Amino acid sequence: ELKVEQNPLFLSMQEGKNYTIYCNYSTTSDRLYWYRQDPGKSLESLFVLLSNGAVKQEGRLMASLDTKARLSTLHITAAVHDLSATYFCAVAGTASKLTFGTGTRLQVTL
Amino acid sequence: GAGVSQTPSNKVTEKGKYVELRCDPISGHTALYWYRQSLGQGPEFLIYFQGTGAADDSGLPNDRFFAVRPEGSVSTLKIQRTERGDSAVYLCASSLDGGGLYEQYFGPGTRLTVT
Repeated sequence: ELKVEQNPLFLSMQEGKNYTIYCNYSTTSDRLYWYRQDPGKSLESLFVLLSNGAVKQEGRLMASLDTKARLSTLHITAAVHDLSATYFCAVAGTASKLTFGTGTRLQVTL
Repeated sequence: GAGVSQTPSNKVTEKGKYVELRCDPISGHTALYWYRQSLGQGPEFLIYFQGTGAADDSGLPNDRFFAVRPEGSVSTLKIQRTERGDSAVYLCASSLDGGGLYEQYFGPGTRLTVT
């Protein structure tokens, strides 16, 4: 059974700081997704990572995938308040169904 | 263009009642997924349709849950004899196809509350 773990579960960081969210998964997959969820809202797609070594960047967020280590990271550079949200990684297993991590709730403070 | 839409946005029902939740995917998307998200948790997979057929229903928790997609577009998730433990946000997602190369776009969800 595919298991996906994220850490930390909660992250409080000051504006301007850098931090990394980690996503580990238990079985082989080369398809990993990052989503953002604001309170009471649905999921917004951030990144689709489809191969070992894939790196994608959008604004202050950068995601990478290491399929050998079964690890993805979401790096936040110079955080701003607007990035406050819950971030989920999700790994595609059989039939493309996604298994989600528990989420990392990010709070960026002034 | 229009995204994934779900109706109703909120549904309150009494224990034991029957409910139907509707999902309208992005036009042209052949793959459709249902997930359930409990408070403070990540979404959990329920069922995946490729076209009209359920390609994977391994996430349905029991036989009270059933979903259809008769014309390969709109899907309905049906829950019989609802229980308080069914309370959650039910999310629908669609993608261009089910091969996993295309991202899944999520709808706004239906918040189901069973009293």
